[in-house]
Amino acid sequence: EVQLLESGGGLVQPGGSLRLSCAASGFTFSYYAMSWVRQAPGKGLEWVSSIDDNSGGTYYAGSVQGRFTISRNSATNTLYLQMTSLTVEDTAVYYCAKDLMMYAKHWYFDLWGRGTLVTVSP
Amino acid sequence: DIQMTQSPSSLSTSVGDRVTIACRASQPINTYLNWYQQRPGRAPKLLIYAGSTLQTGVPLRFSGSGSGTDFTLTITSLQPEDFATYYCQQTYNTPITFGQGTRLEIK
Repeated sequence: EVQLLESGGGLVQPGGSLRLSCAASGFTFSYYAMSWVRQAPGKGLEWVSSIDDNSGGTYYAGSVQGRFTISRNSATNTLYLQMTSLTVEDTAVYYCAKDLMMYAKHWYFDLWGRGTLVTVSP
Repeated sequence: DIQMTQSPSSLSTSVGDRVTIACRASQPINTYLNWYQQRPGRAPKLLIYAGSTLQTGVPLRFSGSGSGTDFTLTITSLQPEDFATYYCQQTYNTPITFGQGTRLEIK
């Protein structure tokens, strides 16, 4: 079955760190660009970060630049998001998403995980 | 950053109605515009990409049009499962940005 499964969310204090994982299955992970998109409670979608299929390029929203790091491991079919210096504004459900087309970075997100909740609170 | 503005923010409508949702970009983005549907408690679902290309498996009652700065998502003959929130997304450049969403409610 083609799917993405996020993990690693939880409650963390402001200033803390967290690493999210996204396990991919059912497709050739290394062929596709991948992304993280978040959604604060009751709010809209916000793109966070993306990474090329070959990890040659990484891209970040201004709100997380310098604090978050996206990476991938094609041996384990896993996407990561290392988050540091977390603030209450980072509280959200974090989704990982797959690009529609292989060997491209169109950022058409055709497959999403169920999301993992990150709560930043004192 | 490219700002995406959707209108309306919410819409009260009925099963069988035809609905049009607008999305405007703050600068020209060619046809680098995608549409997603999100039902409560669920992940978003890709409906339309590249302005007007229907994603595999999406019903034909959904269609997208536009280029440059102005785009529309049209749903003909609304079905009960279509009551959800819809987002436009520009992928012309990074940072990728989404519209604020349009919520379709049952009248």
